[in-house]
Amino acid sequence: EAQVTQNPRYLITVTGKKLTVTCSQNMNHEYMSWYRQDPGLGLRQIYYSMNVEVTDKGDVPEGYKVSRKEKRNFPLILESPSPNQTSLYFCATSGSSYNEQFFGPGTRLTVL
Amino acid sequence: KQEVTQIPAALSVPEGENLVLNCSFTDSAIYNLQWFRQDPGKGLTSLLLIQSSQREQTSGRLNASLDKSSGRSTLYIAASQPGDSATYLCAVIFDNDMRFGAGTRLTVKP
Repeated sequence: EAQVTQNPRYLITVTGKKLTVTCSQNMNHEYMSWYRQDPGLGLRQIYYSMNVEVTDKGDVPEGYKVSRKEKRNFPLILESPSPNQTSLYFCATSGSSYNEQFFGPGTRLTVL
Repeated sequence: KQEVTQIPAALSVPEGENLVLNCSFTDSAIYNLQWFRQDPGKGLTSLLLIQSSQREQTSGRLNASLDKSSGRSTLYIAASQPGDSATYLCAVIFDNDMRFGAGTRLTVKP
């Protein structure tokens, strides 16, 4: 079954404690991206990756890092989380940047 | 800068009605347009993808149209059901980015 998985699904943490949200896909997709969704602001792209070892900033990259060492995985790293990063995060994958996008189930992050 | 607008922001209809959701975008240089459904607190489910060379796509009771030159897309839902209640998002795909509208929150009353 084609899947995009994210872990954890829910996370409550404190300011400054480094965390990683994982994203994995089994569709052999080259393109992966991260979004955050906030009330009143909608979905905004954080980072994207065209392929292994190729990443680039989206609209709101500040405070986030990513890496793409393997095709199937695209972790989102918050080195020093702050309360304004409290949000619902989605990973998305696609065969390319202009093909149909498939979204993961989301990770709800709360930073206290 | 590409901006995507969805009208109306919310819609409440009785079961069985046919309805139309609207999406407009400011830059016609798009690759594709994709419609999603999102249930409260859940992920996004892809409904339809319309490629820039296409005028419409159909899936069951859903029909989406695209007019690139005017920067508009519509999602038509036939014979609405309570299970259709959700937020519907349109997104335009261009360059290496995907820009979303704010969504239309649909409620279908039994």
